[in-house]
Amino acid sequence: QQQVKQSPQSLIVQKGGISIINCAYENTAFDYFPWYQQFPGKGPALLIAIRPDVSEKKEGRFTISFNKSAKQFSLHIMDSQPGDSATYFCAAMGGRFRGSYIPTFGRGTSLIVHP
Amino acid sequence: EAEVAQSPRYKITEKSQAVAFWCDPISGHATLYWYRQILGQGPELLVQFQDESVVDDSQLPKDRFSAERLKGVDSTLKIQPAELGDSAMYLCASSLASWVRGRPRNTGELFFGEGSRLTVL
Repeated sequence: QQQVKQSPQSLIVQKGGISIINCAYENTAFDYFPWYQQFPGKGPALLIAIRPDVSEKKEGRFTISFNKSAKQFSLHIMDSQPGDSATYFCAAMGGRFRGSYIPTFGRGTSLIVHP
Repeated sequence: EAEVAQSPRYKITEKSQAVAFWCDPISGHATLYWYRQILGQGPELLVQFQDESVVDDSQLPKDRFSAERLKGVDSTLKIQPAELGDSAMYLCASSLASWVRGRPRNTGELFFGEGSRLTVL
């Protein structure tokens, strides 16, 4: 059962353009939604995260938009740069088992930004 | 900057052999995760530890996979015997558990190691 659905699978944008990646979740117990960035040969690294008490969070060129009622959230990369070319994973966490979160990842989006 | 250490980075083995991966989390991180990432897919949780206790191993194929974190610090993931379908990147991650009203609470941020890439021939 895929609890976090991510789209598109791949994305190509021109330098300076806007990259948008979407995710949808099913489990209403999720209460923390991070985005991870992964470069080839490296482990994922936290990029930005949001909790459902806000509808938007912005950090530099990266913005998360969150729609609690639709159970959807998206990552927007403004002024996309070739250095942003990587695989992006959305994730959702929540549910308490002895106080720990159980993170679930989407399948990933391969972003290529052409110079 | 503190990092999650994993070894080996690359492992090539033949089917039916045993293989082991090691992970040393960031100092002080109580929560440790092992994920498997097949090429082109997202990480899938295999096992989660809180200190030395297993929190979730429901997705761990226990007939061939085992994981331990005996002293609540570093951890070992073992596969025996390896199968062709086990070829993947094995990622270790750790996170800092904070305490709220006397109960542990995960801060949410996972710090990943660079992974161990396994190829089974």
